[in-house]
Amino acid sequence: SQQGEEDPQALSIQEGENATMNCSYKTSINNLQWYRQNSGRGLVHLILIRSNEREKHSGRLRVTLDTSKKSSSLLITASRAADTASYFCATDARGAQKLVFGQGTRLTINP
Amino acid sequence: KAGVTQTPRYLIKTRGQQVTLSCSPISGHRSVSWYQQTPGQGLQFLFEYFSETQRNKGNFPGRFSGRQFSNSRSEMNVSTLELGDSALYLCASSQDPWNTEAFFGQGTRLTVV
Repeated sequence: SQQGEEDPQALSIQEGENATMNCSYKTSINNLQWYRQNSGRGLVHLILIRSNEREKHSGRLRVTLDTSKKSSSLLITASRAADTASYFCATDARGAQKLVFGQGTRLTINP
Repeated sequence: KAGVTQTPRYLIKTRGQQVTLSCSPISGHRSVSWYQQTPGQGLQFLFEYFSETQRNKGNFPGRFSGRQFSNSRSEMNVSTLELGDSALYLCASSQDPWNTEAFFGQGTRLTVV
């Protein structure tokens, strides 16, 4: 079963614009991770945010976490064509040593 | 530091055959997990190994098995392949089971015909 649900399922924007993706989950977590996947290849680890953190930055990425709403968002600023990919959130529910993924958001950056 | 290495990258097998996939984790990482990715089911957890022991297993039939060696390298095996086993199999490397920050390999694309 999927714990995380990404929203929207697909997003298409112009190069240079900002992209925001959301993730909701169901149970208490230790941390939440975001990954990028290009065309059915491996998952690239983008960022990890712990349950006691509210916001984290890495380059053009900004992740927020609201544990009261069981949700997270990933913001990519000043998007580039190379950001075209699928983005997944993954949670590790407390007491479970495994990651549970959402279905992902397919992001397309148009030149 | 080298990343997670999975071999082979691509495989084509016939129904009924068996297959073995290999994963070498990041140096110093001792926990290896396996995931199956399909268009219909998304990313599903298969199992996790640490110190040569399976610590956790997902909801997959017994045809799916794995093992971990003393150098932390891991293999997974699928016996009696079915068409539905066609998927991208991803290996994730973590320092240990209590640190779930996971780094993935490029995956092995298995096609069963």
